[in-house]
Amino acid sequence: AQTVTQSQPEMSVQEAETVTLSCTYDTSESDYYLFWYKQPPSRQMILVIRQEAYKQQNATENRFSVNFQKAAKSFSLKISDSQLGDAAMYFCAYRRPPRGSTLGRLYFGRGTQLTVWP
Amino acid sequence: ETGVTQSPTHLIKTRGQQVTLRCSSQSGHNTVSWYQQALGQGPQFIFQYYREEENGRGNFPPRFSGLQFPNYSSELNVNALELDDSALYLCASSRGPLEKLFFGSGTQLSVL
Repeated sequence: AQTVTQSQPEMSVQEAETVTLSCTYDTSESDYYLFWYKQPPSRQMILVIRQEAYKQQNATENRFSVNFQKAAKSFSLKISDSQLGDAAMYFCAYRRPPRGSTLGRLYFGRGTQLTVWP
Repeated sequence: ETGVTQSPTHLIKTRGQQVTLRCSSQSGHNTVSWYQQALGQGPQFIFQYYREEENGRGNFPPRFSGLQFPNYSSELNVNALELDDSALYLCASSRGPLEKLFFGSGTQLSVL
């Protein structure tokens, strides 16, 4: 079974500063997808960023970027210029490659609670 | 375009009872996935429905069952509730099984 590990239960950052959340995963596949989701107090999971394993270039979405290290099976999220609204639980997730299957099942880590201080 | 809505938002049941949770998918979406999120844990995949058929299932016992209707809304049914079933149940809809998931705000189930 795929496992996703987030070793930081809690992180904090000062407003306008940069923070990095860590994630490692275990897989024998060479092609797969990785995601970071944000879950604010409203409980609704929101997709922050997605990375395809076959792409060497790290994904970027405005202030959010990833450091994808395929050989190390590491997928960290960097939040630049942190804002108060970034405070939430962040989940790293893995999805198997689609070949031979139409099932879009996500495997989630246990999450990192991010606090942003003014 | 309405988002994914789940009902009820909160529910309290006693052990042994049965419960039905509901999910209205976003317009244009034909796939619904259900996840269970226990306190302090990440979401765990329960099952996925695609065009009214079960498309895959996680490691949950048969007392967890589901339905998807012609309008692509969905129900999650849990029989013989156990204390460990207490969790947040998340529904997500998508344009297809491998497309981007849009989550609802969940149903918080407490089993006493």
